[in-house]
Amino acid sequence: KQEVTQIPAALSVPEGENLVLNCSFTDSAIYNLQWFRQDPGKGLTSLLLIQSSQREQTSGRLNASLDKSSGRSTLYIAASQPGDSATYLCAVNRGETSGSRLTFGEGTQLTVNP
Amino acid sequence: DAGITQSPRHKVTETGTPVTLRCHQTENHRYMYWYRQDPGHGLRLIHYSYGVKDTDKGEVSDGYSVSRSKTEDFLLTLESATSSQTSVYFCAIRGGNTGSTGELFFGEGSRLTVL
Repeated sequence: KQEVTQIPAALSVPEGENLVLNCSFTDSAIYNLQWFRQDPGKGLTSLLLIQSSQREQTSGRLNASLDKSSGRSTLYIAASQPGDSATYLCAVNRGETSGSRLTFGEGTQLTVNP
Repeated sequence: DAGITQSPRHKVTETGTPVTLRCHQTENHRYMYWYRQDPGHGLRLIHYSYGVKDTDKGEVSDGYSVSRSKTEDFLLTLESATSSQTSVYFCAIRGGNTGSTGELFFGEGSRLTVL
């Protein structure tokens, strides 16, 4: 059974700091990995998707990496801003043979202080 | 915007009553999902659908049923609601067709309280 762990559970940083969020998974047979952002009381917003054949993806100040063999992904946020405060979730996808279902970590709650 | 609408967005009901949550999509996606989100458990899959009348169970399907009679609507039913089903329910769709990136997009959620 796939298990996804996110460390730390919560993180508080001053504005402008670069930071890394970690995600680990137990079964390396994944199709892709997706990072989401969730604001309080809201739905999930997709940030980045990395296919199993890729090593990293970038979008603006965000960079996600994937090391499938070691079962790890990181989300790097450059020059953090108060607007980045949210919960960040990673999820792994086992592919169409499993219905493209996602298994989620419990998230990292990020607070960026002005 | 993946064109996903969930209804109702908020509902309070009593133990033992039936409840149906609706997920509507406008972009003809084949795959649709129902997740629940609870503190300490994260998001867990309840049921999913891979086409009209084609559904399968997720990891927490007990006490829930689903139906998909047309592509755009995926219904989640609690036949007899219990307090343990108090949760936030999210619908998701998988973008693109077979062989696509497999990116999932989520609705805004439906908050259900069972008293």
